[in-house]
Amino acid sequence: GQNIDQPTEMTATEGAIVQINCTYQTSGFNGLFWYQQHAGEAPTFLSYNVLDGLEEKGRFSSFLSRSKGYSYLLLKELQMKDSASYLCAVRDGANAGKSTFGDGTTLTVKP
Amino acid sequence: SQTIHQWPATLVQPVGSPLSLECTVEGTSNPNLYWYRQAAGRGLQLLFYSVGIGQISSEVPQNLSASRPQDRQFILSSKKLLLSDSGFYLCAWAVPSSYEQYFGPGTRLTVT
Repeated sequence: GQNIDQPTEMTATEGAIVQINCTYQTSGFNGLFWYQQHAGEAPTFLSYNVLDGLEEKGRFSSFLSRSKGYSYLLLKELQMKDSASYLCAVRDGANAGKSTFGDGTTLTVKP
Repeated sequence: SQTIHQWPATLVQPVGSPLSLECTVEGTSNPNLYWYRQAAGRGLQLLFYSVGIGQISSEVPQNLSASRPQDRQFILSSKKLLLSDSGFYLCAWAVPSSYEQYFGPGTRLTVT
C-alpha cells in the first residue's frame, strides 16, 4: 500500500519562499509528482522526480530523496496567484501509470 | 493538440437515482484513462483506470462502475447513487509509459 503525508495548510507572504514537504511510504516507486490545484479546478502538473536531487523549473523547484522517502516543493518569489492546494503523488504502477495522491497542502499567500 | 472533455460540469442528483458521467479525449490514440474522485479538502482517490477498450481495472470497491466503449471515451456510472458518492469527479488521460496525467475540468456531483 501507499501512505503519503503532507502538511494540511501553510501560509506565506508575497515575495517570500515557501517549502512544502511530502513524505511517503510505498510498496513500489516509479516517481513522484507535484500538482497545483486551484479551488474548484482540476490539478495541473508542476513537476516529476524519479531520481534523487533537485529539479528546477522557473520559480518552482522539486527535490527528491528516495532513501528517505521524502520530497519537497520549493516556491520562490511568491505571488498571490500561487495560493492553491499542492498535491504530492507517488507513481507506483509502471504499466498503467497509477498514482497515489496525498491530501494536499493548502497554501495561502498574503500581501 | 490533445484535449479532454468532461460533462456535465455540475450535477445534483437524489439518492437512489442513476448516474452517467462521460469523458472524451481528442488528439491522441490508445491513451490510458482514469477516473478519480476528490472529497472536500482531500486528495484524489483513483476509482478506475483503463489501458484499452473494454479493459477496466477497479481500485476500490464501491457503488460505481466504469466502461470504455471506444478508444477515447470513458464513462462512469452508477445504478443507485448514495450520499457518500458526492464529490468532485475527475477524468484524466496519459500516454502509455509516460508519467504525466492530464486532467479534465471535472464534474461536481452533489447527491441529496
